Amino acid sequence: DQQVKQNSPSLSVQEGRISILNCDYTNSMFDYFLWYKKYPAEGPTFLISISSIKDKNEDGRFTVFLNKSAKHLSLHIVPSQPGDSAVYFCAAVAMYSGGGADGLTFGKGTHLIIQP
Amino acid sequence: ETGVTQSPTHLIKTRGQQVTLRCSSQSGHNTVSWYQQALGQGPQFIFQYYREEENGRGNFPPRFSGLQFPNYSSELNVNALELDDSALYLCASSLAGQSSTDTQYFGPGTRLTVL
Repeated sequence: DQQVKQNSPSLSVQEGRISILNCDYTNSMFDYFLWYKKYPAEGPTFLISISSIKDKNEDGRFTVFLNKSAKHLSLHIVPSQPGDSAVYFCAAVAMYSGGGADGLTFGKGTHLIIQP
Repeated sequence: ETGVTQSPTHLIKTRGQQVTLRCSSQSGHNTVSWYQQALGQGPQFIFQYYREEENGRGNFPPRFSGLQFPNYSSELNVNALELDDSALYLCASSLAGQSSTDTQYFGPGTRLTVL
């Protein structure tokens, strides 16, 4: 049973436009959410995170939105650049309930392709 | 500052054999987590070590075991290899054990193929 779902295996966006990557979760104990980016032959790189007490977090071109009632989060990248082409993973953890040692639960990833 | 390193990069084993994968954590990090990433899947949590003790484990059988050393480097051992163990094994280090929002930094992984 997948607790973190990324339903779009791939997404193609034109350079300069907004990229929106979506993620849904089923475990109501999750209270901390992260996005990682992965290039081929490299490990995942942390991008941005959000805790359940917030509904938005921004870092430069990256913004994550959290809708707790819908158990949905999204990552917005504006403007999209060629270097953003990578696989993006959504991850979740029940951090504040002492589940930090349970590790991160990842989705299957979305391959973002930025077209020139 | 040195990042997370893993060795070897690639490994080929046959079914039934045993394998040891190694990880050096980022400087100053005392927590190491291991993940298995099968083809087309996201990373799946195996276990976490904090100050040389296992303090969290995912849904993996006991033939997956680990160690953490005083310098916080770590090993993942897998006994009685099965074909389904073929995957990318990722190590991640962070600053402070459980209940911490400290970021996990990943190494490049070890690609294990079981024939």
